[in-house]
Amino acid sequence: NAGVTQTPKFQVLKTGQSMTLQCAQDMNHNSMYWYRQDPGMGLRLIYYSASEGTTDKGEVPNGYNVSRLNKREFSLRLESAAPSQTSVYFCASIARGQGYETQYFGPGTRLLVL
Amino acid sequence: AQSVTQLDSHVSVSEGTPVLLRCNYSSSYSPSLFWYVQHPNKGLQLLLKYTSAATLVKGINGFEAEFKKSETSFHLTKPSAHMSDAAEYFCVVSPYNQGGKLIFGQGTELSVKP
Repeated sequence: NAGVTQTPKFQVLKTGQSMTLQCAQDMNHNSMYWYRQDPGMGLRLIYYSASEGTTDKGEVPNGYNVSRLNKREFSLRLESAAPSQTSVYFCASIARGQGYETQYFGPGTRLLVL
Repeated sequence: AQSVTQLDSHVSVSEGTPVLLRCNYSSSYSPSLFWYVQHPNKGLQLLLKYTSAATLVKGINGFEAEFKKSETSFHLTKPSAHMSDAAEYFCVVSPYNQGGKLIFGQGTELSVKP
């Protein structure tokens, strides 16, 4: 049982390039989330998927798109990377999407946009 | 709107002395509250959570937190700090009926001196 996995662990992009961050969970969870972490700001929600086939914007969705490929996988795409998207990205999942449940986080992807 | 404020961005203690990390929240309804810990270059680990049961919540590694509705606080404490406690700590609120979304505080960096 690997929990939540993310690929890649680290990526360097040039401004304007695109890339997709991958996330997968093997806990049969319904809800999945993408956060970004910037110094002094905690984690902020980018997008989330309450269940397979649905996605919704979070606090900072601009410049990102997501795809809930199936119940296990939730990808985050940067179509045209900008230096402001330099951050650490965390994927998380939760069993039923209820607020009292524990979210399980992946190890993170460090992205540097030059 | 829901929010979380961690009152100290940095706390420094000596090994063996008590730890107090302060957190205040704002929420319209009874929220679920969490403390997560992040060691350097690592993912997030759940320390403890409050979900409207007992107001004093015990977590892992000797940490505990008390939910005080009248003060809208959820401070994290530990009687005796250990060197391995040095990390960043996040107070997190999950608003009622919001699909499990998390709102993070800005984080408190805990340093432990020998």
